[in-house]
Amino acid sequence: DGGITQSPKYLFRKEGQNVTLSCEQNLNHDAMYWYRQDPGQGLRLIYYSQIVNDFQKGDIAEGYSVSREKKESFPLTVTSAQKNPTAFYLCASSTQESFYEQYFGPGTRLTVT
Amino acid sequence: DQQVKQNSPSLSVQEGRISILNCDYTNSMFDYFLWYKKYPAEGPTFLISISSIKDKNEDGRFTVFLNKSAKHLSLHIVPSQPGDSAVYFCAASATGANSKLTFGKGITLSVRP
Repeated sequence: DGGITQSPKYLFRKEGQNVTLSCEQNLNHDAMYWYRQDPGQGLRLIYYSQIVNDFQKGDIAEGYSVSREKKESFPLTVTSAQKNPTAFYLCASSTQESFYEQYFGPGTRLTVT
Repeated sequence: DQQVKQNSPSLSVQEGRISILNCDYTNSMFDYFLWYKKYPAEGPTFLISISSIKDKNEDGRFTVFLNKSAKHLSLHIVPSQPGDSAVYFCAASATGANSKLTFGKGITLSVRP
């Protein structure tokens, strides 16, 4: 049963701590993406990776970091430098040819207090 | 500066009637447009797309219309069903945009039984 998994569904952290969000896919997709969704806002692209060991900044990369050591995995670290980390984080993947048809995971809601 | 605009935050329609969701864009380089559907606490799912070389694409109850001169697209759902109640995101991409999608803020559709 192919798909994208994100864990955990809910995550709570204290301000000043780094936190890593997991994203795994078994769709054999080359490209993976991280988005952030805030209330009343659309999805904003944080980072994306078109191939293993390569990634690019999206529109709001400040305060975030990623790695792409394996095709199946694209973890996102929310660092203490991110000013407003509380949000709903979505991971997605796609083939390189059909990058516009992205498959999304269920999301992780991060709350930082 | 929002390049993809969904100016109406919500829409309520009666079951069986037509739902028309609108989207405007400002970037003339966009040449591929998509609609995604999102239920609460879930990731968005791809619904329908249209290339700029077409002005209409139909898939079952869902039809997307594109008016390039007006930089406007719309999603028609006929007939609307209660299960269609969700947030609908309009998204756009430009050739050579390195796999990036730009999303609107979304429209919350409520279909009343």
